[in-house]
Amino acid sequence: EAQVTQNPRYLITVTGKKLTVTCSQNMNHEYMSWYRQDPGLGLRQIYYSMNVEVTDKGDVPEGYKVSRKEKRNFPLILESPSPNQTSLYFCASSLYGVNQPQHFGDGTRLSIL
Amino acid sequence: DQQVKQNSPSLSVQEGRISILNCDYTNSMFDYFLWYKKYPAEGPTFLISISSIKDKNEDGRFTVFLNKSAKHLSLHIVPSQPGDSAVYFCAASAGNQFYFGTGTSLTVIP
Repeated sequence: EAQVTQNPRYLITVTGKKLTVTCSQNMNHEYMSWYRQDPGLGLRQIYYSMNVEVTDKGDVPEGYKVSRKEKRNFPLILESPSPNQTSLYFCASSLYGVNQPQHFGDGTRLSIL
Repeated sequence: DQQVKQNSPSLSVQEGRISILNCDYTNSMFDYFLWYKKYPAEGPTFLISISSIKDKNEDGRFTVFLNKSAKHLSLHIVPSQPGDSAVYFCAASAGNQFYFGTGTSLTVIP
């Protein structure tokens, strides 16, 4: 089954404790992206990757890092999480880029205390 | 600043009637527009898209209209069904970046 898998689905942690949210897709997609969803703000793009070793900032990249060492994986790293990063996060992928429908994971709810 | 706006947070429609969801954008460089549907505890799922060179695209019960001069996008669902009850996001792309609206929660009343 074609899917984008995120882990964990839920996480409560404390300020400053490094965390990684993993994202994996099994569709051989070139393009992958991370979004956060906040009330009243919709989904905002954090980072995206056009291909292996190619990543770029989206609209709200501050406080986040990503890496794309292999095509299927695109982890989101919070080196020193802060309460304003409490949010619902989605990973997505598409075959070549944004001018194509993206497949989304089911989301990761992060709470930073 | 929100480049893609959905000014109606919610909409209620009777089953069988038409649902019209609206979206406005500010960036004239957007060249591709999409609608996504989202159920609780799930990720958004793609519904329908339209290129900026077109003004209409239809897929079954769903039609998207694009008015470039007004920078306005709309999604028509006819006939509406209870299973259409969800949050609908419009989205637009420029280059490799992607911008979403804030969403409209549609309730279809049986």
